[in-house]
Amino acid sequence: AQKVTQAQTEISVVEKEDVTLDCVYETRDTTYYLFWYKQPPSGELVFLIRRNSFDEQNEISGRYSWNFQKSTSSFNFTITASQVVDSAVYFCALSEAHASGGTSYGKLTFGQGTILTVHP
Amino acid sequence: SAVISQKPSRDICQRGTSLTIQCQVDSQVTMMFWYRQQPGQSLTLIATANQGSEATYESGFVIDKFPISRPNLTFSTLTVSNMSPEDSSIYLCSVPGQGAYEQYFGPGTRLTVT
Repeated sequence: AQKVTQAQTEISVVEKEDVTLDCVYETRDTTYYLFWYKQPPSGELVFLIRRNSFDEQNEISGRYSWNFQKSTSSFNFTITASQVVDSAVYFCALSEAHASGGTSYGKLTFGQGTILTVHP
Repeated sequence: SAVISQKPSRDICQRGTSLTIQCQVDSQVTMMFWYRQQPGQSLTLIATANQGSEATYESGFVIDKFPISRPNLTFSTLTVSNMSPEDSSIYLCSVPGQGAYEQYFGPGTRLTVT
């Protein structure tokens, strides 16, 4: 069974600090996809990034960066120079690449989420 | 990415009644997913809705409680039946993105059962 663990329930930082959100996953699949989503107070889920299991190259997008380490089954997310608008719940998620009968194609298993609060 | 809308955006319902949530996508998609997010919790998949076939439910969710319709490739409904306060949640529909293994989510329906 798949499992995603976000050990940090809540993080509080002051604006301009860097912050890293941890994500550890478990899967028996050799091919899988990892995601980060942002959920601001308004409630919608905003897709941030997808990573497939064959691509361990780290990625940077503006103030966001992601560190994927297959050896430790981790997919951590760093926000550099945090801003108040970054305050949200962040979810890490895992998707199988294949599933029997095709019924779980694209099905996501979510971590519990990390509440990030950035204070001015 | 697909544009997804949901109706209603929020509702307050009485115990024992039912609510039907609509999900509309601006493009044709084979699969649509329904998730539940209980207060302060993560998202849990309720079911996968394929057009032209019965929905596939996850463990802990049954068709009598959460009947789903999928009449065409751009629309689906989820009904929350015989509601109790424990059904108070955000319900979200999602569809696969261009990469097929990512999902885009609707804005959610915030349901409160009193």
